[in-house]
Amino acid sequence: GAGVSQSPSNKVTEKGKDVELRCDPISGHTALYWYRQSLGQGLEFLIYFQGNSAPDKSGLPSDRFSAERTGGSVSTLTIQRTQQEDSAVYLCASTVEGGLGNTIYFGEGSWLTVV
Amino acid sequence: AQKVTQAQTEISVVEKEDVTLDCVYETRDTTYYLFWYKQPPSGELVFLIRRNSFDEQNEISGRYSWNFQKSTSSFNFTITASQVVDSAVYFCALSHNFGNEKLTFGTGTRLTIIP
Repeated sequence: GAGVSQSPSNKVTEKGKDVELRCDPISGHTALYWYRQSLGQGLEFLIYFQGNSAPDKSGLPSDRFSAERTGGSVSTLTIQRTQQEDSAVYLCASTVEGGLGNTIYFGEGSWLTVV
Repeated sequence: AQKVTQAQTEISVVEKEDVTLDCVYETRDTTYYLFWYKQPPSGELVFLIRRNSFDEQNEISGRYSWNFQKSTSSFNFTITASQVVDSAVYFCALSHNFGNEKLTFGTGTRLTIIP
């Protein structure tokens, strides 16, 4: 597609349930990022993919969070046993290739509410 | 460690006034990139500008202009003759090209243009 596509756009889940958030990057973009934006806070980096590998997972807040990318394209961010503090907007971004100062383009985000 | 400070949490101006959004950054890298993104109510981060650390020329794009000063580690953004459509949260961000372009964001400035 023309831009970074994320689904679902909104998700309400019960505490303790698992959720999956999907990101479809811009076609041809090899680098993909997940960020989290919590209410009243800035954006925090979660994980970076170059192709299907994740050389930087330093931002994942706990082992309940995991992400994978297949075929060098679609990525899924999984949150297990969700907690209320996981409520946030999860933003996906992509760029042509990491490491070269290229512009990073963001999707509209997936709004997650844990009740 | 990298840090981006946007000291102005919220700004309100009357339509047609000029407004400047401040951004101060900290980095030990000699090569780095600075960005501004706009986040309208829809939530998507819209790329506005990217500037590398070796290019201190100011840039103008329509009503938008950017002032990059390495001496003061600042990358300020000015909107001339503001319009209601400029109302959004604006984020300044910093990355380095050490392999993944992980962005460090400021906390954002919420700009409200009053008709």
